[in-house]
Amino acid sequence: QQPVQSPQAVILREGEDAVINCSSSKALYSVHWYRQKHGEAPVFLMILLKGGEQKGHEKISASFNEKKQQSSLYLTASQLSYSGTYFCGTDLGSARQLTFGSGTQLTVLP
Amino acid sequence: NAGVTQTPKFQVLKTGQSMTLQCAQDMNHNSMYWYRQDPGMGLRLIYYSASEGTTDKGEVPNGYNVSRLNKREFSLRLESAAPSQTSVYFCASSLDRGRGYTFGSGTRLTVV
Repeated sequence: QQPVQSPQAVILREGEDAVINCSSSKALYSVHWYRQKHGEAPVFLMILLKGGEQKGHEKISASFNEKKQQSSLYLTASQLSYSGTYFCGTDLGSARQLTFGSGTQLTVLP
Repeated sequence: NAGVTQTPKFQVLKTGQSMTLQCAQDMNHNSMYWYRQDPGMGLRLIYYSASEGTTDKGEVPNGYNVSRLNKREFSLRLESAAPSQTSVYFCASSLDRGRGYTFGSGTRLTVV
C-alpha cells in the first residue's frame, strides 16, 4: 500500500522546474508532501484533501487527481534551498495515519 | 515554542538490551506517531495514537511497545533490542487528520 514516487532522483540547475509524482493503488482521503534535508527531520509542505483543489505557497504547488489517485508536486524556478528528499504521504481514510513513499532526491546545482 | 521533542538524540545498545525513546509535544495535538527511517525505504509507521488513551499498530510493530502517557507524551519501548532495529526513529504529532505532521529531530539508534 506504499505510494509510488517518481522519479527517484532529479538534478536541476537553479531556476529550472521540476515535477515529482506520487501514485496510489487505493482511493485516497488526502495526500501530504514533506521535504527532508540530510540529517534533519521531515518538514511539512502542504496537504491536499479529497475534493480540494490545487494548493501551494511561493513557488511550490501541488495537485491531486482523485480519479487517478495521483498527486504531483511542482517546483518552479528552483532555488538551492529546494535541495533535499521529497516524500509524499497518503491517507487512505480507513486508518488515521500516513503511509510514505520511498522519496525523491532533488539536487539543485548553481 | 519547542514543537516535538525527542530524547535521546543518539543511542548505542547491545543486542538484548532494552530502552525507551521519549517524545513530547507542546502544541496540544491530538494524534502522535512513531516512524522508523532506513536508507532507501522512506518512513515506516511503527505505532500511532489517534487520541489520548488509544494506541494502534502500524506497518512494522514487532519488537516494539508504546505508551500514550498523556496528551503530550508518547513513548516507544524496545524490550529486547536486535541489530535489525538499527535505524533513525522519528516521533510526529498532528492536530487532526486534516493537518500536517510536525516531526521531532529524531533518535539515531545503533544496536550492536
